Amino acid sequence: DSGVTQTPKHLITATGQRVTLRCSPRSGDLSVYWYQQSLDQGLQFLIQYYNGEERAKGNILERFSAQQFPDLHSELNLSSLELGDSALYFCASSVGRTGYNSPLHFGNGTRLTVT
Amino acid sequence: DAKTTQPPSMDCAEGRAANLPCNHSTISGNEYVYWYRQIHSQGPQYIIHGLKNNETNEMASLIITEDRKSSTLILPHATLRDTAVYYCIVRVYGQNFVFGPGTRLSVLP
Repeated sequence: DSGVTQTPKHLITATGQRVTLRCSPRSGDLSVYWYQQSLDQGLQFLIQYYNGEERAKGNILERFSAQQFPDLHSELNLSSLELGDSALYFCASSVGRTGYNSPLHFGNGTRLTVT
Repeated sequence: DAKTTQPPSMDCAEGRAANLPCNHSTISGNEYVYWYRQIHSQGPQYIIHGLKNNETNEMASLIITEDRKSSTLILPHATLRDTAVYYCIVRVYGQNFVFGPGTRLSVLP
């Protein structure tokens, strides 16, 4: 058990809808990262927050947004969903700001299916 | 990002050591080598990381060559539960973890 909790485990929704994925980091970790894994793309970095502030952005679509709350949990919001957004969404956390010499610890993901 | 090259797949007999190679010939002096694995569709699991020296923990050993251009992850006694995709990542300061396709390790009974 990595200590990172993601809810829900599975989500099925229709095109055009909006969903929110939730992540609770490991105790003591200040950074939260979001990754997307689809069959043909592998693991893609989306966005990182450190202590409530956005720190780095990757291949995140404009329809997607995230935030980190004062209690350090994070939410990833996906809107105007398309079939191609079906994927596994992973959250990870680390102690520091950069994660340079500290590993990321991943949750077990949310499987999103858009029909 | 410093690029890594791994074989797409490997087999290993149960109970034997699994040696997973990774080439990272463009690595810079201050970049760490990390190893993760992903079992089926679970979240990637951290295994080990290192800078220059060899490292060992309860899961595995990491051997980094003196010129740092390659490394080997060693699972000393592979079990069926070690069947997974193994990712070798070079961690560049200021950039985030970039996952490649990894090596699919199959541990055979």
